[in-house]
Amino acid sequence: GAVVSQHPSRVICKSGTSVKIECRSLDFQATTMFWYRQFPKQSLMLMATSNEGSKATYEQGVEKDKFLINHASLTLSTLTVTSAHPEDSSFYICSARSSRQVAFFGQGTRLTVV
Amino acid sequence: ELKVEQNPLFLSMQEGKNYTIYCNYSTTSDRLYWYRQDPGKSLESLFVLLSNGAVKQEGRLMASLDTKARLSTLHITAAVHDLSATYFCAVGGRDDKIIFGKGTRLHILP
Repeated sequence: GAVVSQHPSRVICKSGTSVKIECRSLDFQATTMFWYRQFPKQSLMLMATSNEGSKATYEQGVEKDKFLINHASLTLSTLTVTSAHPEDSSFYICSARSSRQVAFFGQGTRLTVV
Repeated sequence: ELKVEQNPLFLSMQEGKNYTIYCNYSTTSDRLYWYRQDPGKSLESLFVLLSNGAVKQEGRLMASLDTKARLSTLHITAAVHDLSATYFCAVGGRDDKIIFGKGTRLHILP
């Protein structure tokens, strides 16, 4: 099956610094990628939809300036958490579609801000 | 706005028993997904259901879709401990977004 690679899998950063998370589709071109956030023992919350070559579409309540998304190519989308704070600590998961029906998920990134 | 409701949210059951997880959604959709998540891990795709009446089975798990009722079920047959996990249903909405239910935490007792 299609593979979506997310990197890093874990990151610990100091409060006030920025962290970049990469999401790559390894064997298919993904015109659309999605970024989710998951708090412990909770569901996945859609943060934004990332379209190659255009600005990301953010869900209501998600700060655009805080969570910068770039989809520079058909195989790569990045999420940058800017000026991270402890409340940004979470599990971030990307998803990429190989077709309209099938979506594949990355391994997730556990971000801890200290 | 698309909303996805799952129930039950928690389920503790004995090995060997059968049970069903239900997933209701609020607006028309032609795509429904079931995923499994183990603690600390990402999502594993179980089923993709694309049409009314679709039924898919893999091992002890069987998923079905009724688009008219906006209902999908995940049925577990003769549960075994290895099936303990959190199960999410997710529905494809407009703009190709995938919206998740809250998940069902399944704990199977030996």
